[in-house]
Amino acid sequence: DAKTTQPPSMDCAEGRAANLPCNHSTISGNEYVYWYRQIHSQGPQYIIHGLKNNETNEMASLIITEDRKSSTLILPHATLRDTAVYYCIVQKTGRRALTFGSGTRLQVQP
Amino acid sequence: DVKVTQSSRYLVKRTGEKVFLECVQDMDHENMFWYRQDPGLGLRLIYFSYDVKMKEKGDIPEGYSVSREKKERFSLILESASTNQTSMYLCATLENGYTFGSGTRLTVV
Repeated sequence: DAKTTQPPSMDCAEGRAANLPCNHSTISGNEYVYWYRQIHSQGPQYIIHGLKNNETNEMASLIITEDRKSSTLILPHATLRDTAVYYCIVQKTGRRALTFGSGTRLQVQP
Repeated sequence: DVKVTQSSRYLVKRTGEKVFLECVQDMDHENMFWYRQDPGLGLRLIYFSYDVKMKEKGDIPEGYSVSREKKERFSLILESASTNQTSMYLCATLENGYTFGSGTRLTVV
């Protein structure tokens, strides 16, 4: 599976959009980009995933660059409850197990 | 929504004890996983199972075994607990994305 690089931490003001970047320059054609988050003392929670098109759901939007070497997770209106560690993972189709990196610790400030 | 339930939130066991960590899912997911999470090391895969009675070793299987007798239940077994197995243990299922349980924080004293 391709390696991902994320900034270790970010701050965001409550009510503003949080844009979390992820680099995956060695991604191959059959690898999806997944995002999860982990709120303190809980298990990771699935947010969104995509292959090459931008995706949106009730939680977030995922923007993948045309060359697929990077992506951005967007939380449109961050709340204090969005404070968490966000993991970007690249995974081949059919591979069952995930490899989590260190993620980005997002702190939403009041 | 899929629920993944881990039987204990916090557990304290003595060195040398046999420890069972239970995980139950309420959907018909085939794939189930056990991870441990430690500060600075992220999530590491211990074992996973893609069907009843099937199991595969993950990245750190030493000191652990698993049991999948029924589709909904995946048990992690520490045959003889040691202090270096003190950790947060997370169970997960896979179906269009992973669903994790809340975790079991195990302390071995």
